[in-house]
Amino acid sequence: TQLLEQSPQFLSIQEGENLTVYCNSSSVFSSLQWYRQEPGEGPVLLVTVVTGGEVKKLKRLTFQFGDARKDSSLHITAAQPGDTGLYLCAGTRVGNEKLTFGTGTRLTIIP
Amino acid sequence: DTGVSQDPRHKITKRGQNVTFRCDPISEHNRLYWYRQTLGQGPEFLTYFQNEAQLEKSRLLSDRFSAERPKGSFSTLEIQRTEQGDSAMYLCASSRDFSADTQYFGPGTRLTVL
Repeated sequence: TQLLEQSPQFLSIQEGENLTVYCNSSSVFSSLQWYRQEPGEGPVLLVTVVTGGEVKKLKRLTFQFGDARKDSSLHITAAQPGDTGLYLCAGTRVGNEKLTFGTGTRLTIIP
Repeated sequence: DTGVSQDPRHKITKRGQNVTFRCDPISEHNRLYWYRQTLGQGPEFLTYFQNEAQLEKSRLLSDRFSAERPKGSFSTLEIQRTEQGDSAMYLCASSRDFSADTQYFGPGTRLTVL
């Protein structure tokens, strides 16, 4: 059983469209990170959220941490081909130092 | 750039050989983590260090795997008697010295066991 479930697993949309990726769990996380990973490279940090209900914006990307700190979402407006990549959510649970990663969402933006 | 670095970036070896990977964390980071990522999956935790002390090891880390961080700076991950199932991306990450701090990843070492 995967601790962090991401949906959708694959998403292919046209340039200019909006999209939302979800990261859900039945466990509470003390912090949650979103990373983007290119083929053959390590994950690159996009954002860290630590407070329930927190919303962070990074240009066209909006990240939200659920009130109960069990889920998160990533919303991209006006998607661009440069947004193509593997998006990973990852969280740390209270008293546990390791990162638990989600299943990943592979996003393709079609020009 | 003072990010996490890993060496080598790619390693191809024959089954049964030993391999060693190196990770240099961000200089002021006391915590260092190793993860393994197979194709199409998210990274999975292997082990982590607080300075030179190895504090947690995953069940994924069989007896053929050993990790060290002798001076609390760089770390090495050695795999003995490699098997084809060891083929994966090995990722290193580092963070500062408090719980739930953000982990920053290196570019990874891609291991292929023939």
